[in-house]
Amino acid sequence: DTGVSQNPRHKITKRGQNVTFRCDPISEHNRLYWYRQTLGQGPEFLTYFQNEAQLEKSRLLSDRFSAERPKGSFSTLEIQRTEQGDSAMYLCASRPPRGLLGYGYTFGSGTRLTVV
Amino acid sequence: QQQVKQSPQSLIVQKGGIPIINCAYENTAFDYFPWYQQFPGKGPALLIAIRPDVSEKKEGRFTISFNKSAKQFSLHIMDSQPGDSATYFCAASKGVRDDKIIFGKGTRLHILP
Repeated sequence: DTGVSQNPRHKITKRGQNVTFRCDPISEHNRLYWYRQTLGQGPEFLTYFQNEAQLEKSRLLSDRFSAERPKGSFSTLEIQRTEQGDSAMYLCASRPPRGLLGYGYTFGSGTRLTVV
Repeated sequence: QQQVKQSPQSLIVQKGGIPIINCAYENTAFDYFPWYQQFPGKGPALLIAIRPDVSEKKEGRFTISFNKSAKQFSLHIMDSQPGDSATYFCAASKGVRDDKIIFGKGTRLHILP
């Protein structure tokens, strides 16, 4: 499978616990994006990487959220001290270097987080 | 502040009909307008995209109409089928300057058999 892979697909956690999600982008894609989608809403941008550099973070990304892409390949998104408001689908997307295939992203199937 | 406004929120169309989903934007720096299709439990998938230098783009049964002066664009689905039932998102980005994609709130489309 050459698509964007996200793990786990589902995560249920108790309020206050820490969770970590993983995203494996398409191998030749140097840009990687994290989005959050709540029920009935469109995806909202959280952060993105070009190779291993984190280039932009949304104001939605509070201090409890941290993302890494240590070797410019896979990425992790960690949420510390989870709150019920963090319940959402966390989507990862990637795209190739500019000039190839335009600006379209390829999204993974997401990690659905439920905080109880 | 919603940068991309999408309507309607939901839409029910008979098979073979032509659902139309509308979007409007304010930021004239946007220069890339994709549409994404999302099925339950899946991530959004790119359907079709347009740049503001063209007024219409067709790919199979999907057509984007773009009105730059009105800052509006729409998706038309010709000969709609029950398999087209999904949530559709319009979106926009600044392309070369900033390719972060801003999504509308989505339209839940149901095609009746």
